[in-house]
Amino acid sequence: NAGVTQTPKFQVLKTGQSMTLQCAQDMNHNSMYWYRQDPGMGLRLIYYSASEGTTDKGEVPNGYNVSRLNKREFSLRLESAAPSQTSVYFCASSEKGAMNEQFFGPGTRLTVL
Amino acid sequence: GNSVTQMEGPVTLSEEAFLTINCTYTATGYPSLFWYVQYPGEGLQLLLKATKADDKGSNKGFEATYRKETTSFHLEKGSVQVSDSAVYFCALSDNTGRRALTFGSGTRLQVQP
Repeated sequence: NAGVTQTPKFQVLKTGQSMTLQCAQDMNHNSMYWYRQDPGMGLRLIYYSASEGTTDKGEVPNGYNVSRLNKREFSLRLESAAPSQTSVYFCASSEKGAMNEQFFGPGTRLTVL
Repeated sequence: GNSVTQMEGPVTLSEEAFLTINCTYTATGYPSLFWYVQYPGEGLQLLLKATKADDKGSNKGFEATYRKETTSFHLEKGSVQVSDSAVYFCALSDNTGRRALTFGSGTRLQVQP
């Protein structure tokens, strides 16, 4: 099993450009999450999806959109990137009812110039 | 709202020293508590967890006890190794339908030979 995979691993954008971060899991989990990690701030929830076809905002959703394409895939889109979105982005998944243990991908390091 | 407070790092120890990383939390109800570890260049991995008061989570020589009376979940290890050098995150889940995690800011541990 590959677990949770993310692409790309690194990305540099100019202000105003758009991009989509991809995430996929092969553990048949219902719930998927997008977090961002900034120095000294831990991880903060951007969006989550409790099941296929549903999404909801987290703590810091502004400037992002998400799509739960199917049970395996959960993408994060930046429509017009800003320097404040420079961060490391992590996707995670968990099984409903499994005491909330989450499995994380390796992360995408995004720099917006 | 929920919050997690961790001691600031970095924590620098010599090999075989005793480790304590403090974690306290604020939450409504009865959260589940977690310690995650992040090795350089990698995503987060679950280290241990506890789901109710007085539970002790343990893994790889690390331990933490869920103390409801002091709202704490301190991480301890009796003898650290160089390979334990990483960033450690305390987190909680409030067991609502969202099941997302609230993270502390992380504590970097550096173990010197």
